[in-house]
Amino acid sequence: GAGVSQSPSNKVTEKGKDVELRCDPISGHTALYWYRQSLGQGLEFLIYFQGNSAPDKSGLPSDRFSAERTGGSVSTLTIQRTQQEDSAVYLCASSRGQGEETQYFGPGTRLLVL
Amino acid sequence: GENVEQHPSTLSVQEGDSAVIKCTYSDSASNYFPWYKQELGKGPQLIIDIRSNVGEKKDQRIAVTLNKTAKHFSLHITETQPEDSAVYFCAARSSGTYKYIFGTGTRLKVLA
Repeated sequence: GAGVSQSPSNKVTEKGKDVELRCDPISGHTALYWYRQSLGQGLEFLIYFQGNSAPDKSGLPSDRFSAERTGGSVSTLTIQRTQQEDSAVYLCASSRGQGEETQYFGPGTRLLVL
Repeated sequence: GENVEQHPSTLSVQEGDSAVIKCTYSDSASNYFPWYKQELGKGPQLIIDIRSNVGEKKDQRIAVTLNKTAKHFSLHITETQPEDSAVYFCAARSSGTYKYIFGTGTRLKVLA
């Protein structure tokens, strides 16, 4: 079946612009994660959605970052007034939820802020 | 806060040799330990995982061992092949939570 998809695959933007990154999780997966992966680093947790519960936004690095998940499926990560330090790969993962641990990752969006 | 340390950061082995990557976790409540392989330009893929009620798990050329007392777990790849070249990440998750703490990754190069 289809895996997790993300778009765009690459995004180049100018400092100060807003960007939107999209994640389509695996159908039926109720849990959705966003991570940031800086060059040569591990995965930094950003935000977690589980069903209709309030999301855990504790990993968002600043108020310029926000995320939504509409209808329990597609999620959008928005970065406002981008800065050069926002340049990274943004990864989305989904899992069945309900205690199912296995995460399935998308290919990521490579963001470059000039 | 919770932390996962991963070593080495880079590892080069000759084709056919074994590779071992080690991780240490800080949260004694951690009970699930997945390993991911990330190839260039792709997202991480789960290759093997282990739960705290098991000491070792094997899947063909890949094995993971867990020492709960010492709070460390290791990935073992035997008979390495060039296609094993990638970045490998360990992670830990605690019971009753959904957050994964990831190691910083190991870049494995298998030399033909």
